[in-house]
Amino acid sequence: EAGVTQFPSHSVIEKGQTVTLRCDPISGHDNLYWYRRVMGKEIKFLLHFVKESKQDESGMPNNRFLAERTGGTYSTLKVQPAELEDSGVYFCASSQDRGTGESPLHFGNGTRLTVT
Amino acid sequence: DQQVKQNSPSLSVQEGRISILNCDYTNSMFDYFLWYKKYPAEGPTFLISISSIKDKNEDGRFTVFLNKSAKHLSLHIVPSQPGDSAVYFCAAAYSSYKLIFGSGTRLLVRP
Repeated sequence: EAGVTQFPSHSVIEKGQTVTLRCDPISGHDNLYWYRRVMGKEIKFLLHFVKESKQDESGMPNNRFLAERTGGTYSTLKVQPAELEDSGVYFCASSQDRGTGESPLHFGNGTRLTVT
Repeated sequence: DQQVKQNSPSLSVQEGRISILNCDYTNSMFDYFLWYKKYPAEGPTFLISISSIKDKNEDGRFTVFLNKSAKHLSLHIVPSQPGDSAVYFCAAAYSSYKLIFGSGTRLLVRP
């Protein structure tokens, strides 16, 4: 079974530019999540999709961030325009059921975003 | 305000000894607690979990203890192995899907 795949693994952009991160969840996983870790701190929840619907986007920092999951398969997270404080590692995760101890989240390797 | 806290940023243990990683939380509504392990340049990997109705869960060398009155949980690794060297994240969940993570503890197991 292929795991959660994220692309690119690294991205370096200048302030004001646009970046789009992509996540391919494990096949058959309806639940898809985006998390972010900034400056070696805690991993913070951004949003949660069930299929193509946003269930919770309470963690999205501001309206410069836009997440989509067309067709309920892969997801993209666009940052436009990027700011310095957006630098960090963006993780995508998926689960078959709503993540609990019995159905824990499976994480991708993350996209390291550096905004200069 | 952090709801899940890992106050020790790092821990160094001799191979074969016990590693104890600690985690404190503030929200009594959390109903599930999980530990994830993370190697460099990889995503977090699920390790072990515990429901709030239990006080202990064991899986091989890994045991998680939950003390609800103290709002404290710990992960015990016995015996520790060099391959256990990684960053360990404590996480808590309520409403099942939204994980709240701590800032992680870097464990180094010395050969």
